[in-house]
Amino acid sequence: DAMVIQNPRYQVTQFGKPVTLSCSQTLNHNVMYWYQQKSSQAPKLLFHYYDKDFNNEADTPDNFQSRRPNTSFCFLDIRSPGLGDAAMYLCATSARGENTEAFFGQGTRLTVV
Amino acid sequence: AQSVTQLDSHVSVSEGTPVLLRCNYSSSYSPSLFWYVQHPNKGLQLLLKYTSAATLVKGINGFEAEFKKSETSFHLTKPSAHMSDAAEYFCVVRWGSQGNLIFGKGTKLSVKP
Repeated sequence: DAMVIQNPRYQVTQFGKPVTLSCSQTLNHNVMYWYQQKSSQAPKLLFHYYDKDFNNEADTPDNFQSRRPNTSFCFLDIRSPGLGDAAMYLCATSARGENTEAFFGQGTRLTVV
Repeated sequence: AQSVTQLDSHVSVSEGTPVLLRCNYSSSYSPSLFWYVQHPNKGLQLLLKYTSAATLVKGINGFEAEFKKSETSFHLTKPSAHMSDAAEYFCVVRWGSQGNLIFGKGTKLSVKP
């Protein structure tokens, strides 16, 4: 029944070692989002795809990249993780339209050691 | 700038008493409005959404919210709190069909036995 699936749920990576988080969806939604959520804070949008069109938020560091090879999958690449990148990373999807809600995955908790 | 404000960062209630979580938005026209709940180390789950069909919206788990255009508010209520309601609640707004989701800072709900 899971509609937005994130893997892995928990990821430990070394400082400076590239890491990739993955997200897949079974909803066939056009829009996919990546959010970063630090402890006791609201999710912060990093970027989103509207179909194949990539939209980067102005304050998203260059260290963060994303790929969307097809409708179902989206990846978040962190090229050189720093201690400050430790957070929960949330993937979400939505259909087109003004009144459409976003569906969230369970998140990946990233720890940087 | 468009924004959404959750007026309380933390609300504490006793089990069986009413819950009120407040949300105001700033806009010259009506957006789409959502309430999400997040339990610890989990993704976000949609509680309810306002899409202009009715001003009083019923959601899951006994929650409801009333859209008041004159007050630019969308407060979340529940008549009787359960222990399982203890979580973080986010008021989220979307302006336009391609607008991003804008999150409030969240309200942590504690429920005392």
